[in-house]
Amino acid sequence: QQQVKQSPQSLIVQKGGISIINCAYENTAFDYFPWYQQFPGKGPALLIAIRPDVSEKKEGRFTISFNKSAKQFSLHIMDSQPGDSATYFCAANRSFQKLVFGTGTRLLVSP
Amino acid sequence: DGGITQSPKYLFRKEGQNVTLSCEQNLNHDAMYWYRQDPGQGLRLIYYSQIVNDFQKGDIAEGYSVSREKKESFPLTVTSAQKNPTAFYLCASSNARATGGQAGELFFGEGSRLTVL
Repeated sequence: QQQVKQSPQSLIVQKGGISIINCAYENTAFDYFPWYQQFPGKGPALLIAIRPDVSEKKEGRFTISFNKSAKQFSLHIMDSQPGDSATYFCAANRSFQKLVFGTGTRLLVSP
Repeated sequence: DGGITQSPKYLFRKEGQNVTLSCEQNLNHDAMYWYRQDPGQGLRLIYYSQIVNDFQKGDIAEGYSVSREKKESFPLTVTSAQKNPTAFYLCASSNARATGGQAGELFFGEGSRLTVL
């Protein structure tokens, strides 16, 4: 029940296209759903996060879509750029509890 | 600048040796964490500490040890009992007393890559 399942494992998108990464969870007590971005040789950094009282959150080209009934959430990267090439992790937790991470998606945006 | 400093960035170890990875933060965060990252396995929690002089095992604590004598510091020792220690190790911190969505935000260091020869 503590798992967060992430797909796909890797993704290749052409420049200007839409990148979509999906995550699913089981624990209905989770109330915080962040996405982290990690460049090679660096630590992950928080990209965008959502709480379950909203169905969508947008920050620039990055959007989280949240489906509470399906227990799924996804990251959409609009107008994908080569600089977006990185590994993306979804995560979830209850307030003040440790984060549970997905297994990561390696995104490559081709020029 | 506020942040998390990990050292060394690269470390080589012979089999049978213990090594200690350093993690220092100046964010005044209460909680600190150690994660191990392997290709295709995401981030797995080794140990975490929510307050000085207290820490808890994560999902893969066997073969590792930690201490939390100061709020700013959370060193990780990879012991000879860890059978497959070659990995990328990440230290993180968070403000455990934050409310709402920020309770889950982790700030990561740049990592330490350990290779066993």
